Amino acid sequence: GQQVMQIPQYQHVQEGEDFTTYCNSSTTLSNIQWYKQRPGGHPVFLIQLVKSGEVKKQKRLTFQFGEAKKNSSLHITATQTTDVGTYFCAGPGGNQFYFGTGTSLTVIP
Amino acid sequence: DAGITQSPRHKVTETGTPVTLRCHQTENHRYMYWYRQDPGHGLRLIHYSYGVKDTDKGEVSDGYSVSRSKTEDFLLTLESATSSQTSVYFCAISESERQAPNGYTFGSGTRLTVV
Repeated sequence: GQQVMQIPQYQHVQEGEDFTTYCNSSTTLSNIQWYKQRPGGHPVFLIQLVKSGEVKKQKRLTFQFGEAKKNSSLHITATQTTDVGTYFCAGPGGNQFYFGTGTSLTVIP
Repeated sequence: DAGITQSPRHKVTETGTPVTLRCHQTENHRYMYWYRQDPGHGLRLIHYSYGVKDTDKGEVSDGYSVSRSKTEDFLLTLESATSSQTSVYFCAISESERQAPNGYTFGSGTRLTVV
């Protein structure tokens, strides 16, 4: 079935450094979503990308959808301690969304 | 998030006992989902529903059953709990299926421990 691979699994950064997580699909995606889950919390929807090559920004977060619509990335500029959590991508397949395994971000003050 | 609640929030049960988890929504969304979250596996779909009495299996449905007799309620049942079903269970809702432009809204989760 549909698989969405996400790397890295873990990332530790010093506060103020940048962070990037990557999502790759074995098939072309009609769209891709990103979620954030704080420690002990539940996933919260961040954004959906639909168009090939699309770039969207939310403050310090930049989301990109690849030209071939098979990969996506989330980049955080100048991380803050509030960015701590696990970031998931999710792509549709069949009647559901398949979630990546997530990237756990730790920000060291 | 407002509009979706899961109960119980925590449960410890013994192997072989039946367990039912409840998801309740007040958003009148058509689609409801049950996911389990385990370290190293992310979120995996157990079952989903696309309307009252309309349900289908996800990728990890073995050992689980679901029911949806009302739009607002989606029940997940472990007929005979096993230790491999120790996990955090999340319910999610959405207005639409594959597009879901506003994404899925997740409940706060149920932490289930089978001993």
